[in-house]
Amino acid sequence: DTGVSQDPRHKITKRGQNVTFRCDPISEHNRLYWYRQTLGQGPEFLTYFQNEAQLEKSRLLSDRFSAERPKGSFSTLEIQRTEQGDSAMYLCASSLRQASSTNEKLFFGSGTQLSVL
Amino acid sequence: KQEVTQIPAALSVPEGENLVLNCSFTDSAIYNLQWFRQDPGKGLTSLLLIQSSQREQTSGRLNASLDKSSGRSTLYIAASQPGDSATYLCAVRHYYGGSQGNLIFGKGTKLSVKP
Repeated sequence: DTGVSQDPRHKITKRGQNVTFRCDPISEHNRLYWYRQTLGQGPEFLTYFQNEAQLEKSRLLSDRFSAERPKGSFSTLEIQRTEQGDSAMYLCASSLRQASSTNEKLFFGSGTQLSVL
Repeated sequence: KQEVTQIPAALSVPEGENLVLNCSFTDSAIYNLQWFRQDPGKGLTSLLLIQSSQREQTSGRLNASLDKSSGRSTLYIAASQPGDSATYLCAVRHYYGGSQGNLIFGKGTKLSVKP
């Protein structure tokens, strides 16, 4: 099964350190999304790519956050100078968008759980 | 601003019971609505997607309906089983201001099915 895979599954870091997460989408999918989820809340949109182009970024994505999808395949999300408030589950999703977003279905990975001490 | 609300926040039922989960959204300008299941500490599994022009979708024991004009969707689970215990999230893909849109999620309903 070649679903969406995320690495690592868990990351514990100290405040002020930089962390990087990786997402490998389903191979034929042209869109890749990053979401963040805190306990008891639904996922919140961070950013998304269509192929290698980053098309939209949420206001949640501060200057300390950067995402890349250099060859339109895998993506990385980096958080610089981590803060305790960054502790959350970081979810990646991919989709195949064709003519319209009407039937665009997102497939999610298992997430990376970040704990900032 | 699109807001998605799910009621109830938690639900506990005995095995075998039929149940309904509710989702409401404030802006009817949506492409589609998607229901997901999330097990503790895990990612999301897509259950059903209803396009804006559709009224309902079915998959096995699951049936989701959409009333776009009133901003409501329901997820009906027939003959519930303990393995259905999870958090169920609904999300709408909305569009406004030229944005391609992204999924806006509710906070979920935590379902517990007792044997």
